[in-house]
Amino acid sequence: DIQMTQSPSSLSASVGDRVTITCRASQSISRYLNWYQQKPGKAPKLLIYTASGLQSGVPSRFSGSGSGTDFTLTISSLQPEDFATYYCQQTYSTIITFGQGTRLEIK
Amino acid sequence: EVQLVETGGGLIQPGGSLRLSCTASGFTVSSNYMSWVRQAPGKGLEWVSAIYSSGSTYYAESVKGRFTISKDNSQNTLYLQMNSPRAEDTAVYYCAKYYYGSGNYYFDYWGQGTLVTVSS
Repeated sequence: DIQMTQSPSSLSASVGDRVTITCRASQSISRYLNWYQQKPGKAPKLLIYTASGLQSGVPSRFSGSGSGTDFTLTISSLQPEDFATYYCQQTYSTIITFGQGTRLEIK
Repeated sequence: EVQLVETGGGLIQPGGSLRLSCTASGFTVSSNYMSWVRQAPGKGLEWVSAIYSSGSTYYAESVKGRFTISKDNSQNTLYLQMNSPRAEDTAVYYCAKYYYGSGNYYFDYWGQGTLVTVSS
């Protein structure tokens, strides 16, 4: 199975900060990489698809980049509602795998 | 409006069996790829299983041979049959709908989740 490793596992930041989360795949996955946001007690929500596509309704402060094995999710200016856990997901393989998550906390 | 509603969770003894259901509305299960994803308490997301529109099925190694995914097109419902559950199967189980776009698949809709607790 393809292993997905996110870094950091947790992150403290302030409103207005620029934040970057990294996701690395154990093998090349082209651009078959998606990002989700999850808040406590809620289902995950799709933010970014195919490495850099912004899902409809998601604010433009969210952006994604990368290809092959290395990917990033960037939040350009953190808002209070952005404090949540973020997961990357590879869909290159029929056996889908997620990263372990990055918990974004208020500093 | 697309909706996914999971039911069937609860307390189950190790070695028992349980069937989860996910009733869909706003689209047809038969013509879409569907999946189950779980989340153990305080842990991350784990993909469990998928069923394609063709009927092909796929499983994570951790559940292969114990869980079975299926669908009832007439009921527009997805199922997950859980046999011989273990304590480590305790989790919130989500069903999710795949979307195909830009040459890629991703989960565009999720249910609210149903909690399964495996304990004697």
